[in-house]
Amino acid sequence: GAGVSQSPSNKVTEKGKDVELRCDPISGHTALYWYRQSLGQGLEFLIYFQGNSAPDKSGLPSDRFSAERTGGSVSTLTIQRTQQEDSAVYLCASSFPLGSYNEQFFGPGTRLTVL
Amino acid sequence: QKEVEQDPGPLSVPEGAIVSLNCTYSNSAFQYFMWYRQYSRKGPELLMYTYSSGNKEDGRFTAQVDKSSKYISLFIRDSQPSDSATYLCAMSPNRGQNFVFGPGTRLSVLP
Repeated sequence: GAGVSQSPSNKVTEKGKDVELRCDPISGHTALYWYRQSLGQGLEFLIYFQGNSAPDKSGLPSDRFSAERTGGSVSTLTIQRTQQEDSAVYLCASSFPLGSYNEQFFGPGTRLTVL
Repeated sequence: QKEVEQDPGPLSVPEGAIVSLNCTYSNSAFQYFMWYRQYSRKGPELLMYTYSSGNKEDGRFTAQVDKSSKYISLFIRDSQPSDSATYLCAMSPNRGQNFVFGPGTRLSVLP
């Protein structure tokens, strides 16, 4: 596919369980971003990858959140011991920062509901 | 004070109206400005991109940047029901850096 894909599209989990969210960026895009979007809120930056390294993890809200990226491609966002306040849409975006401008292409998001 | 402020709306207008969407910001280092459109249950998609101050036009859309006032606008002419979406502004001091997003304005264009 040509766009950013994310899976699952929806995830319902119980409080205290761990969840893994997956992002497949556009092929060739070296930068990858994770955001969280809560109802009525803007995009909250979580983490940014350049290749496999994460120069900016400043947005991760707690140590229950972690992310990795392997092979400069797929990324996984893991939330441990989920809480109800983690319920949100998690968006992934990728970009080619050396292009004419750093347009971020977004996936459709994973809607996480913690019961 | 948030770094980027945007009226969340909702903003309802009749079809054919001119729509004005705005963001204000506090960081004078911002030089790259984008407008994204987000339909319900979809990811945001880039609409307009501008660098520094000035105007940029693309079809029915015009983006304006006034760095002296730290104020950016998106105008939509001849608005259509298909323009109904949430509009997010985003900005960055450096092309290669992460962008800071506004909270978005929800727009409804009524037929």
